[in-house]
Amino acid sequence: DTAVSQTPKYLVTQMGNDKSIKCEQNLGHDTMYWYKQDSKKFLKIMFSYNNKELIINETVPNRFSPKSPDKAHLNLHINSLELGDSAVYFCASSQYSSGRLYEQYFGPGTRLTVT
Amino acid sequence: KQEVTQIPAALSVPEGENLVLNCSFTDSAIYNLQWFRQDPGKGLTSLLLIQSSQREQTSGRLNASLDKSSGRSTLYIAASQPGDSATYLCAVAMNTGFQKLVFGTGTRLLVSP
Repeated sequence: DTAVSQTPKYLVTQMGNDKSIKCEQNLGHDTMYWYKQDSKKFLKIMFSYNNKELIINETVPNRFSPKSPDKAHLNLHINSLELGDSAVYFCASSQYSSGRLYEQYFGPGTRLTVT
Repeated sequence: KQEVTQIPAALSVPEGENLVLNCSFTDSAIYNLQWFRQDPGKGLTSLLLIQSSQREQTSGRLNASLDKSSGRSTLYIAASQPGDSATYLCAVAMNTGFQKLVFGTGTRLLVSP
């Protein structure tokens, strides 16, 4: 049973296009995240949602717009794609309760290539 | 600003060796520290999580220690196996707000048979 799933796994598109990545978790967690892993394998947080509310937004260009329709889903829409957006995007989830952050569970990643 | 560094960047050992991976962080005000492994082309798998009040955590052949005051954590792998080959990442959760994870630069481990 997949805990955190992402679609698509691979995405190849041209500059200027708009694309979306979807994430779903079946762990019952209340917090979800988007991370970007660049070509040097460095992983950095982009956004986090807790109970559908945006709680972390890390100076990401406003071409990136996350949306959380419910606690189990977090989507990432990217407008006007640029070459520098090429990376692997990971979704993750965790439980955050009583001021405690528990382990984060990661999806398999979406490899985005912008040509 | 929290910075997390991992040394060495790459490590190659023969099967059966015990090894230590290092993680250092600049701001000791952390909530917890998590060790992950990442296989090529795959997502991250959580290995161990140490709360800031703890000194170590163990799971099977893995033992992670935390010295918050000196800003260091180590991951000890006993009797390494080829299946341990992967990139190992440490990440600290800051003790502010919603405790986002700040990741280290990773150690790429290769265990040869």
